[in-house]
Amino acid sequence: KNEVEQSPQNLTAQEGEFITINCSYSVGISALHWLQQHPGGGIVSLFMLSSGKKKHGRLIATINIQEKHSSLHITASHPRDSAVYICAVPPGNQFYFGTGTSLTVIP
Amino acid sequence: NAGVTQTPKFRVLKTGQSMTLLCAQDMNHEYMYWYRQDPGMGLRLIHYSVGEGTTAKGEVPDGYNVSRLKKQNFLLGLESAAPSQTSVYFCASSYLWRTQPQHFGDGTRLSIL
Repeated sequence: KNEVEQSPQNLTAQEGEFITINCSYSVGISALHWLQQHPGGGIVSLFMLSSGKKKHGRLIATINIQEKHSSLHITASHPRDSAVYICAVPPGNQFYFGTGTSLTVIP
Repeated sequence: NAGVTQTPKFRVLKTGQSMTLLCAQDMNHEYMYWYRQDPGMGLRLIHYSVGEGTTAKGEVPDGYNVSRLKKQNFLLGLESAAPSQTSVYFCASSYLWRTQPQHFGDGTRLSIL
């Protein structure tokens, strides 16, 4: 069972491109998390959002609770954005994670 | 502040051996979590704790035990290691369950031969 689906699985972009990563989920939630996993393996929380849109620097996250869909956008992508981006949802007493989108930004 | 610290970072075990992974956080967080990450799969919740002295099962708890005797520490134990438990283990903590971001440790790479 896949409570969380991400697309695309892999993404290669040229530096400066606008990037969109999608996350769809099948469970009822009150919040959704976006995480970044660095090439070295470390995981950092980027956003937690329950409605609308949040922005942090060049990263923008949006969520539509009714459609059970969230997107992570990166504007003016840079090679340092290369990482795996993971969405996660916490229904009930569980936390479900997508398998991640591996992003490579080429100079 | 160190954040979330996991020890050890790497370990190789033989089938049937036991070991304990330690997670320590210095942020006074109530909630702590243990996850495993396997190739091609998302992070999966093993056990979690909502406060000192409490533990609860996550999605994949079989073969693991946990304890939270002190608020800052969350221990993950493997009583009799199996090759299927070869994985990267992450500990995380948060102030609230759903509506606050989680802070992750750097992970423990565990191989069981």
